[in-house]
Amino acid sequence: DTAVSQTPKYLVTQMGNDKSIKCEQNLGHDTMYWYKQDSKKFLKIMFSYNNKELIINETVPNRFSPKSPDKAHLNLHINSLELGDSAVYFCASSQESYFMSADTQYFGPGTRLTVL
Amino acid sequence: RKEVEQDPGPFNVPEGATVAFNCTYSNSASQSFFWYRQDCRKEPKLLMSVYSSGNEDGRFTAQLNRASQYISLLIRDSKLSDSATYLCVVNMRTGFQKLVFGTGTRLLVSP
Repeated sequence: DTAVSQTPKYLVTQMGNDKSIKCEQNLGHDTMYWYKQDSKKFLKIMFSYNNKELIINETVPNRFSPKSPDKAHLNLHINSLELGDSAVYFCASSQESYFMSADTQYFGPGTRLTVL
Repeated sequence: RKEVEQDPGPFNVPEGATVAFNCTYSNSASQSFFWYRQDCRKEPKLLMSVYSSGNEDGRFTAQLNRASQYISLLIRDSKLSDSATYLCVVNMRTGFQKLVFGTGTRLLVSP
């Protein structure tokens, strides 16, 4: 009964390829996020969605495209992968909405992406 | 200047020791503050929120000084299981959260 799950856990691919990472939460939360943690362990927000609506879009290359088919899922598609995309990507969710703030974000286990 | 700055450590302490971590943030309009814990190769997990009045959860005490833009975490009676990286986290906006993470302070508790 994992709260926030991500697939795959590990992803090794060649430069130039296109890949997707899937995220699902079963907590009934309205808001989901994608973070990138680089080799220096610096964790940085990429996107957030509330009920399928884009809320935060940081200065991320447009090769990264999030897609939220429903509020329980937030997938990340990456085109034309580059060496610098190698990192751990974390999905997270929280209860916050337009009507309610929330202290806690719940993180998935992460997807370790290696671009060769 | 980084938005959230922490001493990366590592802090090496024996079991039973008291250890304190500090963090500074640059944006005076920051809304809310947290400490997250991240174990090696695992996801971050909320340890505690930080309030201006200070708050305590068992062996952990967090303090916020808005005037100095400074956050602290005190761990008393350290356990081996406290070994982890402690992330200082600041929410930069009203409404939907935009969390900005420090690079973390690594704690190693030894027997």
